[in-house]
Amino acid sequence: NAGVTQTPKFQVLKTGQSMTLQCAQDMNHEYMSWYRQDPGMGLRLIHYSVGAGITDQGEVPNGYNVSRSTTEDFPLRLLSAAPSQTSVYFCASSSVLAGGTDTQYFGPGTRLTVL
Amino acid sequence: AQTVTQSQPEMSVQEAETVTLSCTYDTSESDYYLFWYKQPPSRQMILVIRQEAYKQQNATENRFSVNFQKAAKSFSLKISDSQLGDAAMYFCAIVNNNDMRFGAGTRLTVKP
Repeated sequence: NAGVTQTPKFQVLKTGQSMTLQCAQDMNHEYMSWYRQDPGMGLRLIHYSVGAGITDQGEVPNGYNVSRSTTEDFPLRLLSAAPSQTSVYFCASSSVLAGGTDTQYFGPGTRLTVL
Repeated sequence: AQTVTQSQPEMSVQEAETVTLSCTYDTSESDYYLFWYKQPPSRQMILVIRQEAYKQQNATENRFSVNFQKAAKSFSLKISDSQLGDAAMYFCAIVNNNDMRFGAGTRLTVKP
């Protein structure tokens, strides 16, 4: 049982380049989400999904796209990277309760630098 | 929108002593969940404790307990018998309807 996995662990991009951060979970969780963590701040929700084919925006969605074609995978796409997107990115998953998501299990994070 | 405030950027505690980390939140919802997560230098986010808003009883997990005051929208974390391994960033979070918000965190130092 690997839990939540993320690739790559580190990435350096040039401004304007595109890339996809990968996230996978093997716990059959309906809910998956992406966060970014900037220095001096907590995690901020970018996008989330409550099941295959269903995605929604979080607190800071601009500049990012997501899709959810399977229960296991939830990739995050940066269409045209900007220095403001330099951050540590976390993927998380959880089961869903009546009042919202249950305890989220986090991946190890991806440190992204945009030059 | 929901917000979470952690008013203590840094705290320190002597090993074996007790420390309390503060958290206040704002939400218009009556049904939500509250969490404390720990982030050690490894960067991994680790769940410390969880509280359902509809439960009046404060959650406890071994040396960790919370003081949940729903009317005051306060959710503090008490760590008893502090250990060197407790040193980390601690984040308070609220979730409702799949929207999760985190506080800015409190850095806890444990002195031997």
